Amino acid sequence: EDQVTQSPEALRLQEGESSSLNCSYTVSGLRGLFWYRQDPGKGPEFLFTLYSAGEEKEKERLKATLTKKESFLHITAPKPEDSATYLCAVHYTGRRALTFGSGTRLQVQP
Amino acid sequence: DVKVTQSSRYLVKRTGEKVFLECVQDMDHENMFWYRQDPGLGLRLIYFSYDVKMKEKGDIPEGYSVSREKKERFSLILESASTNQTSMYLCASSTAGVQREQYFGPGTRLTVT
Repeated sequence: EDQVTQSPEALRLQEGESSSLNCSYTVSGLRGLFWYRQDPGKGPEFLFTLYSAGEEKEKERLKATLTKKESFLHITAPKPEDSATYLCAVHYTGRRALTFGSGTRLQVQP
Repeated sequence: DVKVTQSSRYLVKRTGEKVFLECVQDMDHENMFWYRQDPGLGLRLIYFSYDVKMKEKGDIPEGYSVSREKKERFSLILESASTNQTSMYLCASSTAGVQREQYFGPGTRLTVT
């Protein structure tokens, strides 16, 4: 069964049109939730780590939030250079490695 | 800056060949990981290592082996390449403690014909 589900699979925005990406998880004993950005043909680039419900992190136009069941990546006034695939991953008790979602492919049009 | 390098960006091999993918990190990280990434399936963990000569199977270890003789280097070996191993292979490293963020290399696009 899916333990980490990202939605939508793909999202097309106009420049300046704010939106949110969702990462829901069904694991128990969450020890950390990670967001990454991946450009085509490149490895993922680390963005944020969230450890507990209610926590928020910000970086430029991106803001990540965490609840007990999901995380949101809010993109405010996006620019074309924000176009990428955004991945989330979780670390939970009983597993030594991260479990990744399938990603959301974001396209921001000028 | 953390730097993770992979030996090849693109690789084409024939079915049955033995394939070596090399990964080197320069930040003295204890943990190193090998993933493969396929459309619609996300990143899937093949093997990881938490110390020199130590390794653990990930979710899809069949058909692969690994070697870590030095702390900075982690190799992925395909003993007999098959067409279903055509994929993007990503190496990552992190400090001790899995809840630490992982830093990824640029990836190797392997095609097995």
